[in-house]
Amino acid sequence: EAQVTQNPRYLITVTGKKLTVTCSQNMNHEYMSWYRQDPGLGLRQIYYSMNVEVTDKGDVPEGYKVSRKEKRNFPLILESPSPNQTSLYFCASSPPRGASSYNEQFFGPGTRLTVL
Amino acid sequence: GQNIDQPTEMTATEGAIVQINCTYQTSGFNGLFWYQQHAGEAPTFLSYNVLDGLEEKGRFSSFLSRSKGYSYLLLKELQMKDSASYLCAVRDEASGTYKYIFGTGTRLKVLA
Repeated sequence: EAQVTQNPRYLITVTGKKLTVTCSQNMNHEYMSWYRQDPGLGLRQIYYSMNVEVTDKGDVPEGYKVSRKEKRNFPLILESPSPNQTSLYFCASSPPRGASSYNEQFFGPGTRLTVL
Repeated sequence: GQNIDQPTEMTATEGAIVQINCTYQTSGFNGLFWYQQHAGEAPTFLSYNVLDGLEEKGRFSSFLSRSKGYSYLLLKELQMKDSASYLCAVRDEASGTYKYIFGTGTRLKVLA
């Protein structure tokens, strides 16, 4: 089944304890992206990647890192989480230009992160 | 700067038609998108417009006016399952970027 998977789905952690949220897609998509969703603020893009080894900042990259060593995986790293990073996180991917669904982003199920 | 505005909440009756408006400002516009998000779930793609005009897909239609920075999503023959948040987004490709900017979403309640 074509899908975007995220792990973990739920995480409660403490301030300063490094964590990684994994994102994987099995659709051979080139574009991948991370968003956070907060009440009243909507979805905000953290980082995106156009392809392997190509990443760029979205609108709210502070406090986050990403890597794209292989096409299917795009992990989100919080080196020193803080309470203001408590949020619902979504990973998304899109097919390459020319594909029939190129303009569609496929979202993962979300990761609810709480930082105490 | 970049900005997207859409109403916070709307209510409509089952079987009716509802129009959700979205206005945007962005420097490198290359497409307007509508997503549906049910509570507790991930967004799912509804529509894409890059040229002016109306795109129809079943009960849902989306309109774009680039000169006015305006779009709307039209939902016909409303069903209870259409109760969800509707997210307007633009793709911004200014200065070699490839960003997506989302509005805060419009929560639609469909009443029986």
